[in-house]
Amino acid sequence: ILNVEQSPQSLHVQEGDSTNFTCSFPSSNFYALHWYRWETAKSPEALFVMTLNGDEKKKGRISATLNTKEGYSYLYIKGSQPEDSATYLCASGVNDMRFGAGTRLTVKP
Amino acid sequence: GAVVSQHPSWVICKSGTSVKIECRSLDFQATTMFWYRQFPKQSLMLMATSNEGSKATYEQGVEKDKFLINHASLTLSTLTVTSAHPEDSSFYICSARPSAGRTEAFFGQGTRLTVV
Repeated sequence: ILNVEQSPQSLHVQEGDSTNFTCSFPSSNFYALHWYRWETAKSPEALFVMTLNGDEKKKGRISATLNTKEGYSYLYIKGSQPEDSATYLCASGVNDMRFGAGTRLTVKP
Repeated sequence: GAVVSQHPSWVICKSGTSVKIECRSLDFQATTMFWYRQFPKQSLMLMATSNEGSKATYEQGVEKDKFLINHASLTLSTLTVTSAHPEDSSFYICSARPSAGRTEAFFGQGTRLTVV
């Protein structure tokens, strides 16, 4: 994998559903993986920075895992709420962060 | 904490004019700031990295004479789009890193530039 790729591109779920999406990144020369939550007309909000293979981080109902050897990270949202609706971005690197195109999540009440 | 303010949030300018976008870290000092550009439905593309007091490092394919970056203080970086053309119309967003050795970067709100 040469670029950072996210899937799916968009996702529609019902309130209360749990969901997850994927970020794939180059596994060579890995330094850090970032997850951001980006609501329309606001600044992207940093969710997690992960550096260690096997790392798992949690913030409320949102958690993320990291596999640096195979080059992927999963973001999980448990019991989705309408306020979780946003675009979720991942990025690999530090000085030259490379972003995926994002997963646009819509949670219907 | 860790608030980055970007101004303006949107701007419309005429072809041939220059536009300045400011990126300020409000509650921390940022040794490094980053400028990105985003085309519709595409990912954020890094344009340049600016370090306080030194020249910016531009990514391949980004014209440094067209996109002037100044990082004169630890809380302010500016991006000036010179002699703007309609193809420069895009979404520009900055981020700032609190200090060397930290991996987090905090983003401004972005600027929607339309050149007419």
